[in-house]
Amino acid sequence: DGGITQSPKYLFRKEGQNVTLSCEQNLNHDAMYWYRQDPGQGLRLIYYSQIVNDFQKGDIAEGYSVSREKKESFPLTVTSAQKNPTAFYLCASSFLNTEAFFGQGTRLTVV
Amino acid sequence: GENVEQHPSTLSVQEGDSAVIKCTYSDSASNYFPWYKQELGKGPQLIIDIRSNVGEKKDQRIAVTLNKTAKHFSLHITETQPEDSAVYFCAAQNNNNDMRFGAGTRLTVKP
Repeated sequence: DGGITQSPKYLFRKEGQNVTLSCEQNLNHDAMYWYRQDPGQGLRLIYYSQIVNDFQKGDIAEGYSVSREKKESFPLTVTSAQKNPTAFYLCASSFLNTEAFFGQGTRLTVV
Repeated sequence: GENVEQHPSTLSVQEGDSAVIKCTYSDSASNYFPWYKQELGKGPQLIIDIRSNVGEKKDQRIAVTLNKTAKHFSLHITETQPEDSAVYFCAAQNNNNDMRFGAGTRLTVKP
C-alpha cells in the first residue's frame, strides 16, 4: 500500500533524553514536513524539506533536528534542548506545491 | 514568513444549516490554499484545495472561494451533517513548498 507511516504511535521520553521520530513515505514525494500540534491548537511548522540533503527551518525549529538522506525518509530528533516537547507530532509529504498527505501522528510525552 | 489567521475558532450549527470558515494570509507569494479536516487522534486529510489562478471551486457540499487582492479565502459547507463535525484547518503554501496552517476551527453539527 502507498502511504506515509509514522512510528511509534506513542513515545515516552525522560527529561534530558534525545528521541527520534520516524517518518517514511513510499509515494515518491519530493517534499516532506514536520508539524507540532498542541491540544486545541493548530499545526506549527518545525522543519520542511523539498529535496534530499536539503531542509529549511519552520517557525519552531529550536530544540529539533532533522535529516533527509533518502527521499523516502525524514526523521525528526527531539533534543534535550526542547524544553516543552510533550505534543502530537505530524509528518506530511507531497509533490511540489500539491496536496500534502499526513501520517497518523506520534504522541510524545515527557515523563 | 507566511502568517495564516483563521476564524472562528469554534463553530456550532444545526444539522442542515451552512457553515463558513474564513482565513487570511500575509504572503503574496502564496499560491496554493488547501483545506484539511482532522478527526480526533488522526492526521489531517485534504477536503478541497484552490490555486491562486482560480476564484472559486466546488465539490458537492463543499466550496472554497479565494480573493487574492484581499488575501483571504473561505470554506463553505452546505447542508451540514453530524459527520461533518471535526476540526478544519486552512493552509497557504508558496512555490518553495513552505506550507503554514491556520489555528483551526472546531465545527460541531448538532442533530
